[in-house]
Amino acid sequence: KNQVEQSPQSLIILEGKNCTLQCNYTVSPFSNLRWYKQDTGRGPVSLTIMTFSENTKSNGRYTATLDADTKQSSLHITASQLSDSASYICVVSEETGGGADGLTFGKGTHLIIQP
Amino acid sequence: DGGITQSPKYLFRKEGQNVTLSCEQNLNHDAMYWYRQDPGQGLRLIYYSQIVNDFQKGDIAEGYSVSREKKESFPLTVTSAQKNPTAFYLCASSPPGGLSGYTFGSGTRLTVV
Repeated sequence: KNQVEQSPQSLIILEGKNCTLQCNYTVSPFSNLRWYKQDTGRGPVSLTIMTFSENTKSNGRYTATLDADTKQSSLHITASQLSDSASYICVVSEETGGGADGLTFGKGTHLIIQP
Repeated sequence: DGGITQSPKYLFRKEGQNVTLSCEQNLNHDAMYWYRQDPGQGLRLIYYSQIVNDFQKGDIAEGYSVSREKKESFPLTVTSAQKNPTAFYLCASSPPGGLSGYTFGSGTRLTVV
């Protein structure tokens, strides 16, 4: 069964500090991995999308890495800001051949930035 | 601005009632999706549609129904057969091709009263 496990479940850090969120998956065959940011009561917003051949991708202060051999990804946030407080969801896409959505969602990491 | 709009933002349903959640997109995306989000769980797929007048059941379709009469619109009806409808519902759309990210709406929070 395809699974996406995220850790930690929740994290509290001080404003200005860096943090790293983890995502391990068992989805196969792998197509791509996506990180989304979801503010409370809002829909998820895409941060990065990475394919098998990509090791790292940045979006401002967000940097995602992917190790397709170990099936692990991380999202690193640099110089955190209060607006970074949100849930971060890892989503892994399966090669489906055009059928179902082929996505497996992690449960998310709830990040709180304290002033 | 292009985007995907869900309405209403909050919805209250009495026991035994059907309610319909609206989802409209002006992104010219072919595919549209409905997800349910519960606390502490990942998003779960309810229904999806790849083209107009065609839709498929997702993982948790029981108690829900959809229609896709127009490319821009994909309403979700939560029927009285759905025994635990209280949740946050998210609509999403995507263009053809697996490398494009989904665009999500801002969600509808449904509460049974």
